[in-house]
Amino acid sequence: DSGVTQTPKHLITATGQRVTLRCSPRSGDLSVYWYQQSLDQGLQFLIQYYNGEERAKGNILERFSAQQFPDLHSELNLSSLELGDSALYFCASSGSRLAAVQETQYFGPGTRLLVL
Amino acid sequence: AQSVTQLGSHVSVSEGALVLLRCNYSSSVPPYLFWYVQYPNQGLQLLLKYTSAATLVKGINGFEAEFKKSETSFHLTKPSAHMSDAAEYFCAVSDRGSSNTGKLIFGQGTTLQVKP
Repeated sequence: DSGVTQTPKHLITATGQRVTLRCSPRSGDLSVYWYQQSLDQGLQFLIQYYNGEERAKGNILERFSAQQFPDLHSELNLSSLELGDSALYFCASSGSRLAAVQETQYFGPGTRLLVL
Repeated sequence: AQSVTQLGSHVSVSEGALVLLRCNYSSSVPPYLFWYVQYPNQGLQLLLKYTSAATLVKGINGFEAEFKKSETSFHLTKPSAHMSDAAEYFCAVSDRGSSNTGKLIFGQGTTLQVKP
């Protein structure tokens, strides 16, 4: 158990809909990273938050957004869903900003999204 | 830009045989490199990481990896495979670009099959 929790575990929805994925980082970790894992794209970094502020953006679509709340949990919002958004979405957390490049990221179990 | 390439999307070994999973990196700055393992229906778990200390890095479950700058490689090895090692393995480099955020750039993954 990494200490990172993600809900829900599975999500099935229809095209055009909007969903919210939730992540709680390990106790004490300030950074949250979101990654998408799909068969065609592999594991891709989406976005990072550090202590409530957006820190880095990767290949994240404009239909997707995220935020980190004062209690440090994070939510990834996916809207106007398309078939191609079906994937496994991981959240990871780490502690420090200054040593971020060396730090281990601890991954949650993921949310499997299926868009029909 | 930094990247990693994993040679071989599938590797099959017999139980008790040597495991060798290959990873080559590309980086204009000294890289920080990671190997993660993903068991079916689970998140990613860190096996080991290289952060410019010893070039031979020992990890969990008997795995180790050697950083070779001259070959730009960070191959993962284990002397004797167990059935429980069957999983997908990801090599990753920590982004040390201008933002220095620590986001991970993953290879495409290698599925390890262990035959009895």
